[in-house]
Amino acid sequence: EVQLVESGGGLVQPGGSLKLSCTASGFVFSNYWMTWVRQIPGKGLELVANIKDDGSDKYYVDSVRGRFTVSRDNAKNSLYLQMSNLRADDTGLYYCARGFLMFWGQGTPVTVSS
Amino acid sequence: DIVMTQSPHSLPVTLGQPASISCRSSQSLVHSDGNTYLSWFQQRPGQSPRRLLYKVSNRDSGVPARFSGSGSDTDFTLRISRVEAEDVEIYYCMQTTHWPYTFGQGTQLEIQ
Repeated sequence: EVQLVESGGGLVQPGGSLKLSCTASGFVFSNYWMTWVRQIPGKGLELVANIKDDGSDKYYVDSVRGRFTVSRDNAKNSLYLQMSNLRADDTGLYYCARGFLMFWGQGTPVTVSS
Repeated sequence: DIVMTQSPHSLPVTLGQPASISCRSSQSLVHSDGNTYLSWFQQRPGQSPRRLLYKVSNRDSGVPARFSGSGSDTDFTLRISRVEAEDVEIYYCMQTTHWPYTFGQGTQLEIQ
C-alpha cells in the first residue's frame, strides 16, 4: 500500500523558516517524480514544487521560487521542502504527492503569523 | 501560466440524475508527446484530494464507472452518469502539460 506521511508543519512568524518532510512507503520511491501541493483556504490548490526521481531537475511555482527548496533522499525514501522568508500568504495545508498526483499524503499545516 | 476555468462554481444535482462539470484551459493542453495531460480530482471535507481521471478519460483504479471524462485541446468535461450521495463533493480539474501545473478553482456539487 502506498503511503505518504508529511511532517514538520507548524506556526512560524513572517520571515521565518520551516522544513517539511514526507516519508514514503509502499513503492520504489527512487522511480518517481515527487510533488508538493498546497491548499490555501479560500484559494484552492496550488502546485508548489516538484522534483525528478533522481533529484536532478526541480521546478517551482513563481510565488515560491528563491524562497523554497525541494530536495529528496532516495536512500531514506524521503522528500523535503525547505521554506524560508515565509509570508502570511504561504499559510495553508501542504501535501506531498507522487508523480502526477495519483497518491497524496494527509498534509501538514503551515501557519505564518505574528 | 495556464488558467483553468471550471464551470459552474456550484452545481445543484438530483440523486440518480446525470451531472457534468466543464473545465476550460487558456492554452491547448496537447503535449509535444501527443498526450493531453488533464486530470480530475474529487475532494471530501477534511480529506486529501483523490484523483479520478487522468489523460482526459482514463479512470484510476477503484473509480466507479459512472465517472467519465471527455474533451480535447482546451475544452474538457467530467460527467457523472447517475449522481449518488457519496459524489456530492468538490471537484477540481488540473493540467500537467505545461509547468507550472495548475488547478481549476473547483466545483461544489450540492443536493438540489
